[in-house]
Amino acid sequence: DTAVSQTPKYLVTQMGNDKSIKCEQNLGHDTMYWYKQDSKKFLKIMFSYNNKELIINETVPNRFSPKSPDKAHLNLHINSLELGDSAVYFCASSQSGARETQYFGPGTRLLVL
Amino acid sequence: AQTVTQSQPEMSVQEAETVTLSCTYDTSENNYYLFWYKQPPSRQMILVIRQEAYKQQNATENRFSVNFQKAAKSFSLKISDSQLGDTAMYFCASIQGAQKLVFGQGTRLTINP
Repeated sequence: DTAVSQTPKYLVTQMGNDKSIKCEQNLGHDTMYWYKQDSKKFLKIMFSYNNKELIINETVPNRFSPKSPDKAHLNLHINSLELGDSAVYFCASSQSGARETQYFGPGTRLLVL
Repeated sequence: AQTVTQSQPEMSVQEAETVTLSCTYDTSENNYYLFWYKQPPSRQMILVIRQEAYKQQNATENRFSVNFQKAAKSFSLKISDSQLGDTAMYFCASIQGAQKLVFGQGTRLTINP
C-alpha cells in the first residue's frame, strides 16, 4: 500500500496555464507538507498544514495556493505558471511534533514550456 | 536560522568499501533532530537514519551509522560494506520547533562495481 501518493507524477504544460497537484496519505498523520526541489536538487519547504490549518508558509509567490480538504489530503494549485516553476514537487506527511519523521511521496516533476 | 551544509558535492567508492558523507549544521536551539535521506534515481526520498540531539549515543541502522558531534555541530553518515543499491543523492537535514526540514545541498554518491 502506498503511504504518501501524488498525482500526477509528471506534468508538462505551457507558461501561463493553471495546474494542480494532488497528495494523499494513508498513514493517519495530521501534518502534511509541500517541498520544492529545484534543478540543482536543492529541497526547500513551501507549506505545511496541521489538521487542515496552514502553519508554515515560506516566501512562496501567491500564485501557489495549497488546499487541505481533510487531514489526509493536501493539494497544490499553481496559477499562471512560469518557466521558473519547473521543478520536482514533493508532498510529505508526519505526526505533529518536530521529533516526528516526515515521509515523502514519489514527487511530481513539473515542466513549464 | 537553521542552516545545513554538505561540503562534498560528489563521492565515488568501490563496492564493499566504507564511505563517510559529511554534514555540518547551525542552530541556536538545544532541542533538534537530524536526518539523512537518500534519493535514488527513482526520485523517491527515503529516510536512512535519524538522530535526536539530546541523545549522546550515535544512531545506527544496519550498515548505516552516524557520527554525531554536538559541540562541533557535525553529523556525518558512514556507510559500511557499500552496495550498488546505495548509489543515490544523500541529503542531510535538520528540524527544530516549527517542523520544517532544512536540507543540505546533497552529496551524489556512486558505488562502482
